[in-house]
Parts: sequence; structure tokens; C-alpha cells
Amino acid sequence: DAKTTQPPSMDCAEGRAANLPCNHSTISGNEYVYWYRQIHSQGPQYIIHGLKNNETNEMASLIITEDRKSSTLILPHATLRDTAVYYCIVRVALRGADGLTFGKGTHLIIQP
Amino acid sequence: GAVVSQHPSRVICKSGTSVKIECRSLDFQATTMFWYRQFPKQSLMLMATSNEGSKATYEQGVEKDKFLINHASLTLSTLTVTSAHPEDSSFYICSASLHSGGTGELFFGEGSRLTVL
Repeated sequence: DAKTTQPPSMDCAEGRAANLPCNHSTISGNEYVYWYRQIHSQGPQYIIHGLKNNETNEMASLIITEDRKSSTLILPHATLRDTAVYYCIVRVALRGADGLTFGKGTHLIIQP
Repeated sequence: GAVVSQHPSRVICKSGTSVKIECRSLDFQATTMFWYRQFPKQSLMLMATSNEGSKATYEQGVEKDKFLINHASLTLSTLTVTSAHPEDSSFYICSASLHSGGTGELFFGEGSRLTVL
């Protein structure tokens, strides 16, 4: 799986959009970008994933650059409950037999 | 999304005893389940991959005789920490992938915090 680089921490004001960047310059053509988050003392939670098109669901939007070397996770209206560590992971999809490799992620702190 | 449940959520045991943690996929069948360990302020580390009906595959450095994994059905995997010691105190998390369908996302349990005295 390609390596990803994320800032170790970010702050965002409550109600604002939180934009979390991720660099994955060595991504392969068949690798997807996945985002998970882990709220303190809980298991990780799946957020969203994409291949090359931008994706949106009820939790977030995922913007992938045209060259696919970086992406941004957007939480449109951050709340205090969005404070968590966010992990950007690149892997081949439909390879359910392989576990995820977690980096250090970005600790997002939503300020009231 | 699919639901994965772990039990117990917290366990405290004496050094030298064994502890069993259960991981269940509640609304889907999981051919493969994964076990992770997380120490304070660190990221999740994959310990082993558990396949239904076969032996688990352990990551390098993880003792298979200490961390016994059983995946007897498509909805249940168990992790037994044998002869636990204080250094085994950690947050253990399981995850599962869909037996069929899906696009590669994994679903995680709530985690089990083990404290060995």
C-alpha cells in the first residue's frame, strides 16, 4: 500500500468547514483513498473512500486531485463531536483479506 | 454501515491469568476478521488476520502462542491473551470485512481495554 503523509494536528472552529489534507504521491492506479477516524477510546469509524472522482456522503466530502497524489477530507460543518484522529489510508479495494495499515493520522481538535 | 461488536469493553485481570475477547459481526458475514492493538498515544498496530475455519496469520513480532485467535464462524472471532502480564495492557480492537460485496471498507468494533495488574 502507498504511504500517506498527514499533518499531526489541526484546529478548527465549531461550525466551520474542516479541511484535512493527505499526500499520497506514490499511489498506484488501482489504489483507493480511504478515510477513517477514531474518537478517543473508541474503535475507528469508516468515513468515506474514493478512487479518482470526488465523493460525498452524509458525513463528509472527499476531494482527490486530478493527478491523485493528494486528497482533502472536508467536514462541512464541524461540531465538537468531530474531535478525533483522522486517518488517510491508501489501499487496493476489494482486497478484503488484508488489514488496514494505520499511520499516525491528524488529530483534529474542534474549538468551541 | 455494518456493525461489529466486541465484548467485554473493559477487563481487569491479574497477572498470569488468561483473558478472552469476543468480536462479532452483527448484521453481516465476515470471512476475514482482523485484530489490532493500540498503546496510549500510538496508532493501531495490526496483530493478526483471522480467517473463518483456518489458522490465523500473525504479523511479525506477535507471539501466536500468547495471542490465541479462533474464528469458528462467519460472525465470531475470539482473541485470548494467555498468561497475561502488565505489558499486555492495551486497547484491543477487531475489524471485519464483508463476506461478499462492499468495496473494501472495514468495520471496527468498539474496542476492549485490557488492564493487567
